[in-house]
Amino acid sequence: NAGVTQTPKFQVLKTGQSMTLQCAQDMNHNSMYWYRQDPGMGLRLIYYSASEGTTDKGEVPNGYNVSRLNKREFSLRLESAAPSQTSVYFCASSALQGITEAFFGQGTRLTVV
Amino acid sequence: DAKTTQPNSMESNEEEPVHLPCNHSTISGTDYIHWYRQLPSQGPEYVIHGLTSNVNNRMASLAIAEDRKSSTLILHRATLRDAAVYYCILREFGTGGFKTIFGAGTRLFVKA
Repeated sequence: NAGVTQTPKFQVLKTGQSMTLQCAQDMNHNSMYWYRQDPGMGLRLIYYSASEGTTDKGEVPNGYNVSRLNKREFSLRLESAAPSQTSVYFCASSALQGITEAFFGQGTRLTVV
Repeated sequence: DAKTTQPNSMESNEEEPVHLPCNHSTISGTDYIHWYRQLPSQGPEYVIHGLTSNVNNRMASLAIAEDRKSSTLILHRATLRDAAVYYCILREFGTGGFKTIFGAGTRLFVKA
């Protein structure tokens, strides 16, 4: 059982480049989330998707877009990367209504130079 | 959004119990209290959650104050593997469903 899988694990971008972070879960969860974690800090919610076909902004959505491609996949896109977006990005999923626990991926470490 | 307050760090001896406190004075009646922990270079891992009653599972116990304005995560016998950052969070119901907002967490140091 893979759980939540994120790709890539590491990425270096130049300022202004674009890229998409991929996330897939195999637990049939309805809700999925994207977080970022800066060094020494807690996680901050970027976007979430309560169910297939819906997305909503979290605490820090500026500079990002998301797509809930299907029930399994939730991608995060950086259209024009900036050094301030250097961070570790985590994807998570949870069952419908989120009362149950969330499962996290191993993270994508992104550096923007 | 309701927020949580935790000590920045705590220290424990191996094999001893650890009580990790969390204040959430602005909690609403429908907010669930969740605890996660994060080991170095890993994603957060679910520990336990509750609404009003105390909860136990194989990893820990959660004691919730009667007024729900605070809670305590109890690790019954700390091991070196329990050294991590522990996050107390409230699962809030947003316009699109439950979302989870993390605070800064408590870094637990375990001494051998």
